[in-house]
Amino acid sequence: NAGVTQTPKFQVLKTGQSMTLQCAQDMNHNSMYWYRQDPGMGLRLIYYSASEGTTDKGEVPNGYNVSRLNKREFSLRLESAAPSQTSVYFCATAGTGTVDEQFFGPGTRLTVL
Amino acid sequence: AQRVTQPEKLLSVFKGAPVELKCNYSYSGSPELFWYVQYSRQRLQLLLRHISRESIKGFTADLNKGETSFHLKKPFAQEEDSAMYYCALRSGGSNYKLTFGKGTLLTVNP
Repeated sequence: NAGVTQTPKFQVLKTGQSMTLQCAQDMNHNSMYWYRQDPGMGLRLIYYSASEGTTDKGEVPNGYNVSRLNKREFSLRLESAAPSQTSVYFCATAGTGTVDEQFFGPGTRLTVL
Repeated sequence: AQRVTQPEKLLSVFKGAPVELKCNYSYSGSPELFWYVQYSRQRLQLLLRHISRESIKGFTADLNKGETSFHLKKPFAQEEDSAMYYCALRSGGSNYKLTFGKGTLLTVNP
């Protein structure tokens, strides 16, 4: 089992360009999440999806959109990239229940010039 | 609003010394707290959860509701403990959302 996978691993964009970050999981989890990790800021939730067909904003949703394509896939789109979106992006998944942990992907390092 | 505070960005200790990574939280409900760890070039992973009251890799953490703290402790640090540590708080309800602290980078020197 691959667990949680993310593509691409690295990406460099110019200001104004668009791109989609892909996340897929084979853990049969209902919930999926997108975080960004910045030095000194920790992990901040961008968007999450509690189940297939639903998405909700997290702490820092501005400038992003998401799609929960099916139970396995949850994509994050930057429509018009800005230098402030330079970050490491992590996808995570979780099952249901009181003590379920979140499982993280390897991350995508994005640089916006 | 819920909040997780890790007051130390950096913590450096020598091998064999005790280590304590501090975490304080603010939450109106009954908290569920976790410690996640990210070793160099590895993905973030769960270290331990308060509800399990377990010791993982020699680390323990006790939830102190009076002081709203969930400090991570290890009596004898090892070089392989060097990593970024995040304290996280789970919000209530059916959505399993985590609020993370800003993290503490632990360096264990030989």
